Amino acid sequence: DAKTTQPNSMESNEEEPVHLPCNHSTISGTDYIHWYRQLPSQGPEYVIHGLTSNVNNRMASLAIAEDRKSSTLILHRATLRDAAVYYCILRTNRDDKIIFGKGTRLHILP
Amino acid sequence: EPEVTQTPSHQVTQMGQEVILRCVPISNHLYFYWYRQILGQKVEFLVSFYNNEISEKSEIFDDQFSVERPDGSNFTLKIRSTKLEDSAMYFCASSPRNDNTFGSGTRLTVV
Repeated sequence: DAKTTQPNSMESNEEEPVHLPCNHSTISGTDYIHWYRQLPSQGPEYVIHGLTSNVNNRMASLAIAEDRKSSTLILHRATLRDAAVYYCILRTNRDDKIIFGKGTRLHILP
Repeated sequence: EPEVTQTPSHQVTQMGQEVILRCVPISNHLYFYWYRQILGQKVEFLVSFYNNEISEKSEIFDDQFSVERPDGSNFTLKIRSTKLEDSAMYFCASSPRNDNTFGSGTRLTVV
């Protein structure tokens, strides 16, 4: 799997938007950008994924740079329940397993 | 929403004993996985299973480990002779193809 780089930790205030960055400068044309998160004492949870265009779902939005070398996961209005480790992962269509990095630990301040 | 169910939530076993961790994947999923997470460390891939056979395994998944889908609904991970360093959270996951849905995990403590 191609490598991603994320900040170790971030803080945000409750009810404010959060932008979680991810750099993936060695991304290949067949790599999809996936985001998972792991809440405390839980298993990882799928958040969103995309290839080239920005994506929205009920949990978050994914903004992908035009050159695809970076992306940003956007939580539009953070709640305390969004405190988790967020993982940015590159996967091709042929990959089924997930290779996790260290992710970004997001702290939400009340 | 369909979920992956793991039992037990916590298992304590003595070193050298065999342990079986159980998982019920989502019913229409075709791909099954085990991952583990040692306390404070990254989630690590162990094995993937498709069409009743192992499709890929990591270096961690040595001869002490085995997986089985005995009855079309359960998916089990067996550790034959547990070691202290096997203490970890073990997560089962299933997927229709690309995205894994994870269970809440079994915390295995080897004493």
